[in-house]
Amino acid sequence: SAVISQKPSRDICQRGTSLTIQCQVDSQVTMMFWYRQQPGQSLTLIATANQGSEATYESGFVIDKFPISRPNLTFSTLTVSNMSPEDSSIYLCSVASGRAGDTQYFGPGTRLTVL
Amino acid sequence: AQSVTQLGSHVSVSEGALVLLRCNYSSSVPPYLFWYVQYPNQGLQLLLKYTTGATLVKGINGFEAEFKKSETSFHLTKPSAHMSDAAEYFCAVSVRMDSNYQLIWGAGTKLIIKP
Repeated sequence: SAVISQKPSRDICQRGTSLTIQCQVDSQVTMMFWYRQQPGQSLTLIATANQGSEATYESGFVIDKFPISRPNLTFSTLTVSNMSPEDSSIYLCSVASGRAGDTQYFGPGTRLTVL
Repeated sequence: AQSVTQLGSHVSVSEGALVLLRCNYSSSVPPYLFWYVQYPNQGLQLLLKYTTGATLVKGINGFEAEFKKSETSFHLTKPSAHMSDAAEYFCAVSVRMDSNYQLIWGAGTKLIIKP
């Protein structure tokens, strides 16, 4: 299984500012995903981070609000831009091989509070 | 569209009692099914998964789940609940999206253990 770390683990930010979250994996992986988990809710996929190309965003999420980078097979960043209190959530990074039936492994999450 | 339904947002059982968390899925093809657990302030951890073969799947911490195709179900059970089982449990089904596989998530069930 992959070991995933995220930085920061939590942050409190002012509205209108931006925060970049880092995700580091201990081995090369094909697929990296970014999720949002709003308080008391399930996971919502924001985007798939593609190495060397633009991320693939899910409906309701746009690159201007959530720019994503993936410079190599072990690292990705998600930026939450121009934050508002509605962006207060846990942001989770996960990785997978991309093969059918393979497990997705999750990082510990970043708990974001926007004031 | 694929979907996952978890019956009961909260399930409360006494310590030592049977745990039953329900999950039903919709899938037009043989599914890959997963149960994840999320402890407070942590990321998600895989409990168990079904891909092919034996329909009764054993996981970590004494949990098991049975894939029943006729009922499109994948309920999670544990014979005897422990206080440490208190957590949020998520059922998910893997679906093919373009050339990769993504997870479709249930809403989650919060398991409460009464002393």
